[in-house]
Amino acid sequence: QSALTQPPSASGSPGQSVAISCTGSSSDVGTYNTVSWYQHYPGKAPKLIIYEVTKRPSGVPDRFSGSKSGNTASLTVSGLQADDEADYYCCSHADGDNWVFGGGTKLTVL
Amino acid sequence: QVHLVQSGAAVRKPGASVKVSCMASGYSFNTYFIHWVRQAPGQGLEWMGIFRPGDGSTRYSQRFQGRVTMTGDTSTTTVSMELSSLKYDDTAVYYCTRDNSGWAFDLWGQGTLVTVSS
Repeated sequence: QSALTQPPSASGSPGQSVAISCTGSSSDVGTYNTVSWYQHYPGKAPKLIIYEVTKRPSGVPDRFSGSKSGNTASLTVSGLQADDEADYYCCSHADGDNWVFGGGTKLTVL
Repeated sequence: QVHLVQSGAAVRKPGASVKVSCMASGYSFNTYFIHWVRQAPGQGLEWMGIFRPGDGSTRYSQRFQGRVTMTGDTSTTTVSMELSSLKYDDTAVYYCTRDNSGWAFDLWGQGTLVTVSS
């Protein structure tokens, strides 16, 4: 099972919006509506911010949104804030009862 | 409050084994699956496998098949992950995480650093 493909970096200025892509295949993202996204600060445990492609857990601001088209999912962060600067990972359920992560995207707030 | 609390850091020699434990509290242990995820230095997150407390079933990533064993103890609400035949590139922070039944990981342990060094 190959890792999902994410851009290694993304950036935006405070107040702007930025989108992070996550490309898989018909064995994972394209078939299963199970894409989740995690915000990860170094030295801390990851935090779930999106699940089942578009759903937000309680307490996650609506500045974070998810979508999917074909084999590619996306996370959009709107109204960028300084504390959005972190690593972001996508994850999907995959064929054979597996799960697969993306390689991660480092988001920089300029 | 719901928590996953992991065992402390470990140092092992190449070829040895390590067992990391994860104690769940604040929720019904048998209701939620537990996954193990690791992050090597400078690398991304990597899924290792899943343990289902209700029936004790497991599914391991092909990458770790034959080297990893996940077990659970309902009496102590603890899930453990043992990795054998350790190699230098098994040095990583290992996390246990709860499956929220929405195919995602909503609760994480604090992480356990395993260092493989001679």
